[in-house]
Amino acid sequence: DAKTTQPNSMESNEEEPVHLPCNHSTISGTDYIHWYRQLPSQGPEYVIHGLTSNVNNRMASLAIAEDRKSSTLILHRATLRDAAVYYCILRRTGANNLFFGTGTRLTVIP
Amino acid sequence: DAGVIQSPRHEVTEMGQEVTLRCKPISGHNSLFWYRQTMMRGLELLIYFNNNVPIDDSGMPEDRFSAKMPNASFSTLKIQPSEPRDSAVYFCASSPPGRGANVLTFGAGSRLTVL
Repeated sequence: DAKTTQPNSMESNEEEPVHLPCNHSTISGTDYIHWYRQLPSQGPEYVIHGLTSNVNNRMASLAIAEDRKSSTLILHRATLRDAAVYYCILRRTGANNLFFGTGTRLTVIP
Repeated sequence: DAGVIQSPRHEVTEMGQEVTLRCKPISGHNSLFWYRQTMMRGLELLIYFNNNVPIDDSGMPEDRFSAKMPNASFSTLKIQPSEPRDSAVYFCASSPPGRGANVLTFGAGSRLTVL
């Protein structure tokens, strides 16, 4: 599976937008970009995924670069409950498994 | 929907003892995954099943680990004999067939401590 690179940690003020970057320069044409997050003492939780176009759902937005070598997860208004480790993962079309990297630990400052 | 249910939530055992972790996937989901999480190695995929059949067990650490899925609503991960380095949080996840196969739902995890 292609590798992703994320910053180890980021901070955000409460109520402000957060942009979490992910680099995946070796992405293939059949790789979906997935984001999961893990709140303290919980299992990972699905956030969003996309292939080529930007995606929005109730939790977040996913902005995918035109060349697909990078993407950004956008939390529009960070809350304290959004403090978690965010994982960016590439998943080949038709593949069932997910391989997690080290993720970005997001700290939200009140 | 109760989600993915794992038991026990916490287990403390002594080295050499057998440990069995249990998982009930979401009804209708046909893929099931076992992950292990430690501070040193992060989240590791151990094995996954599709329609109750093991598809990829390349992540299983060694012969002391075994996993079974006797039916669509139950899976076990067994460690025999257990060792202190097996201490970790073990997560079970499931996903539905079709387009929904993109989304994994995780359980709350089973925290194992081997003394």
